[in-house]
Amino acid sequence: GDSVTQMEGPVTLSEEACLTINCTYTATGYPSLFWYVQYPGEGLQLLLKATKADDKGSNKGFEATYRKETTSFHLEKGSVQVSDSAVYFCALSDLGYKYIFGTGTRLKVLA
Amino acid sequence: ETGVTQTPRHLVMGMTNKKSLKCEQHLGHNAMYWYKQSAKKPLELMFVYSLEERVENNSVPSRFSPECPNSSHLFLHLHTLQPEDSALYLCASSQDAGEGTQYFGPGTRLLVL
Repeated sequence: GDSVTQMEGPVTLSEEACLTINCTYTATGYPSLFWYVQYPGEGLQLLLKATKADDKGSNKGFEATYRKETTSFHLEKGSVQVSDSAVYFCALSDLGYKYIFGTGTRLKVLA
Repeated sequence: ETGVTQTPRHLVMGMTNKKSLKCEQHLGHNAMYWYKQSAKKPLELMFVYSLEERVENNSVPSRFSPECPNSSHLFLHLHTLQPEDSALYLCASSQDAGEGTQYFGPGTRLLVL
């Protein structure tokens, strides 16, 4: 069945460091791919998405490219801020009503 | 009010209690979802409603009973829960079931004693 695998956390970075959070997926169809972010005490918020191969989603300095050949959707940011500290979830939406989420990666950015 | 709201935000209940979680969306969406979020586990989809009809039930124990009286409101009725049911319960909505972006509420943190 469909699945999403993302890197284990926590990830601890200094402010202005580069960020990459890896995400790979398996799917039977042609899924849409998402990154959601969860700040402490809140629900998940959509960060960015891509609906087909080679699409690049971007928002708030974060980017991710839908790579069908490597079945990946890695999240990147060139310079993180303390306010980026949160849990990041990779997810896919495939046929039917299925949204599949990864286990989440906690990011902690130190000043 | 905008977005997706959930009440209560925190709930402590005994195993013999009956309680209900409430979710309301103000986005005009047709689909609503219940998820369970436990520590170190992927988000678990519990129920999906599309235009007030249940379209997905992921083998959830019968002690969880959803209700969707209209497209803006979703309830999760709880009875005779177990301690392992303690988790964050998240409600979400989307324009249509299985498509597009989901919008999440802040969740209800449930503790079963």
